[in-house]
Amino acid sequence: NAGVMQNPRHLVRRRGQEARLRCSPMKGHSHVYWYRQLPEEGLKFMVYLQKENIIDESGMPKERFSAEFPKEGPSILRIQQVVRGDSAAYFCASDAGSNQPQHFGDGTRLSIL
Amino acid sequence: QQPVQSPQAVILREGEDAVINCSSSKALYSVHWYRQKHGEAPVFLMILLKGGEQKGHEKISASFNEKKQQSSLYLTASQLSYSGTYFCGTYSPGGYQKVTFGIGTKLQVIP
Repeated sequence: NAGVMQNPRHLVRRRGQEARLRCSPMKGHSHVYWYRQLPEEGLKFMVYLQKENIIDESGMPKERFSAEFPKEGPSILRIQQVVRGDSAAYFCASDAGSNQPQHFGDGTRLSIL
Repeated sequence: QQPVQSPQAVILREGEDAVINCSSSKALYSVHWYRQKHGEAPVFLMILLKGGEQKGHEKISASFNEKKQQSSLYLTASQLSYSGTYFCGTYSPGGYQKVTFGIGTKLQVIP
């Protein structure tokens, strides 16, 4: 499958636990973006990464959220000590350059009990 | 800065036409259009790179007026499959060089 791969598709966590969301970009893509979407709302930008670098994290909450895109392996969005308000769909997208079409993964639906 | 989309929502009967507008307060290099169906991921429709350029995708086309810093998406003879939320994304010079998305226009096509 040459598309953007996200896993897991669904993730359930209890309050206070950690959530790790993974994203493998399309082959040949070096840019990864993470977005958060609440039901019936738009895409909220979180972070923009290139290999081993965070380019823009202006949309990331200051606490509990972090992201990385290591030299090898998928990009990871990590949410520590999750709270109910973290429940949302998290989409990852990748592109081959800043002004190229973004290709989205199927998303991870995070539910917090 | 986030582009402004209008209308926020529209309901059409099959076969009717619709226009979705996207405007920015910043100079634009390009405008991207995406569609997201309920419960699915956004899907790229088209990118407009030049002022005044028009592109098409099936019966969906778009224009980009660089001077007015705005783009319009035209849906002609709408089909039920056109239902979804349409997002425009704008790319401007300077800054972090990334596409910024509007809040979306929800389109519902009914029989």
